Amino acid sequence: NAGVTQTPKFQVLKTGQSMTLQCAQDMNHEYMSWYRQDPGMGLRLIHYSVGAGITDQGEVPNGYNVSRSTTEDFPLRLLSAAPSQTSVYFCASRSTGTGNTIYFGEGSWLTVV
Amino acid sequence: RKEVEQDPGPFNVPEGATVAFNCTYSNSASQSFFWYRQDCRKEPKLLMSVYSSGNEDGRFTAQLNRASQYISLLIRDSKLSDSATYLCVVNLLGSGYALNFGKGTSLLVTP
Repeated sequence: NAGVTQTPKFQVLKTGQSMTLQCAQDMNHEYMSWYRQDPGMGLRLIHYSVGAGITDQGEVPNGYNVSRSTTEDFPLRLLSAAPSQTSVYFCASRSTGTGNTIYFGEGSWLTVV
Repeated sequence: RKEVEQDPGPFNVPEGATVAFNCTYSNSASQSFFWYRQDCRKEPKLLMSVYSSGNEDGRFTAQLNRASQYISLLIRDSKLSDSATYLCVVNLLGSGYALNFGKGTSLLVTP
């Protein structure tokens, strides 16, 4: 069972470069989200989507774009990478309903130099 | 003030010990509550949901006190494999499906 798949797992970028973190889920979940996790900060929500064609901002959206053209895919784009975006990024999905489990991808370790 | 607060620890306990973690949340409209476990350099995974009546899963017991806006996790007979970070997670009514995560409490179980 694939679950939530993120790529790449590791990436080093230079300041100013752009890139896309890919996320795909095969559970037909309506809700998908991106979090970043920094030491001492916990998980913070970047962007989320409640269905294809619908996206919204989370707690820390600046510097990131998302789109949701299909139920399965939810890519995260870094427009112009900055050292402050060095972090671990987790994609997650869940079915609708507040009690349903959220499933995370394995994480993408990004370093911006 | 952060919406979900936890004691960061670390909690260092010997094998077999009982350890309790606490979590407080600031918004009384919070609706669903969870404990997640995160191993080093891994993704968080659901440990257990927390119900108003309290619930138990093997050695793990979760309690919710809505009046005090307080959640707890009790681990009995600690194992070395319990060493991890435990995240308190809250879903706010009306927030869609976004979850609020505490920063986590680190547990190290020693031989």
